[in-house]
Formats: sequence, C-alpha cells, structure tokens
Amino acid sequence: EIVLTQSPATLSLSPGDRATLSCRASQSISSDLAWYQQKPGQSPRLLIYDASNRAAGIPARFSGSGSGTDFTLTISSLEPEDFAVYYCQQRYNWLTFGGGTKVEIK
Amino acid sequence: QVQLVESGGGLVKPGGSLRLTCEASGFTLSDYSMSWIRQSPGKGLEWVAYIGFGGISTYYGDFVKGRFTISRDAAKNSVSLQMNGLRVDDTAVYYCARDRKRHAPSDWFDPWGQGTPVSVSS
Repeated sequence: EIVLTQSPATLSLSPGDRATLSCRASQSISSDLAWYQQKPGQSPRLLIYDASNRAAGIPARFSGSGSGTDFTLTISSLEPEDFAVYYCQQRYNWLTFGGGTKVEIK
Repeated sequence: QVQLVESGGGLVKPGGSLRLTCEASGFTLSDYSMSWIRQSPGKGLEWVAYIGFGGISTYYGDFVKGRFTISRDAAKNSVSLQMNGLRVDDTAVYYCARDRKRHAPSDWFDPWGQGTPVSVSS
C-alpha cells in the first residue's frame, strides 16, 4: 500500500498569507495525485488533480506541483474561506489518502 | 445541478447488515464510475468500493474481505453499498463520490455526497 504523509499536521496562518502544504508518497507515484479541501460539516471537494490541474471552479490562488514522491499544494494568498483541512490522494496503486493538514487562523 | 444524496446509515450491532444508497441528480449516474469512501476519526479517509461506468467492474478495499457489495440501479439513477458482517471498526461516515470524468475513469472524485453515518456498536 502506498502511504501518503502530509505535513505539517497544522498550519497556523493569517488571511493574506501564503500557505504551503506538503504530501510525500512512500514510493514514486508519477503525477497521480489529487488535493481535496474539507470544511467542518462538509464533504471533501476536489481542488487539484494530476498533481497540478485545477478542478472546475477552483480559484487560481490554488496551485499544485510535484511529481514522483514529493508534492506541494500552494495557496498564494489565504482568503477567510480557505481555512479548512486539506487531503492528498493517490491513484497510482489502488487509492489511498493522506492524513490531512489543517490550515487554521493564527 | 449535480447532486449526490446518501441514505441508509444508522446504528447496527456487530455482525449486522446495512444497505446504503446514493441517489444522483443532475447527471446520468451510469455514465460515470462511482465509489464509496468512508471517513472516521481514527483512520481518516479510506476508499471502500468502486463500480465502473459500465457496471461490470467492481473493486474493493482489502479490509472489505467479501463483506460488502457495490451495485447500481440505472432506473433509479442510484448506487448502493450492501454491508454485511459489520464490525466496530466499520464505524464511519460513508460518502458516495462520482468520478471526475464521464465514460473514462480517472479515479479522482468530484463531487461527493454529504455522507451518511454508520455506527457499529453493541
């Protein structure tokens, strides 16, 4: 099973800050990675797929990068609605999710 | 408007059964691959089961071990998850999720339903 490790577990930032979230795979997964956002009481929402493609309707401040084992989700300037938990998911070998990074207001 | 609505969750004793249903609106469900994914505080997000858009291919997480069955009903535009032999560690919120791409599975999930809670306890 491919294990995805997300870091940090919690990121404390202010609106307007740049957020950088990491997802590391236990083996190379090419670009087979997606990012999801989950707000309290809601289901996850697809943000990024194929490591760097924004899903429909996702603002340009969200960007994804990386390949192989190391991936990054960047939020260029945090809006109040961006404070949430973010998960990565791989599809290279079956389907697994990372443990999540919570972006909280500092 | 594309929407997925799950139902059928609840409290069940270990060894019991539940049938979860996910009804789709705003699109033809049989045009897409569908999955069930669960979320619990202890294990986070776990992919549970998949059914291909043709309805022929089905796949399951290792932990299912023959206990769950995914199926679709084209007439009702729905997908179901029959869960037998439930265990305490199956306790979670169960989401159905559509594949992002029509007629070609991408294994990216968009959108997700709101989830239905399943609690397994004696």
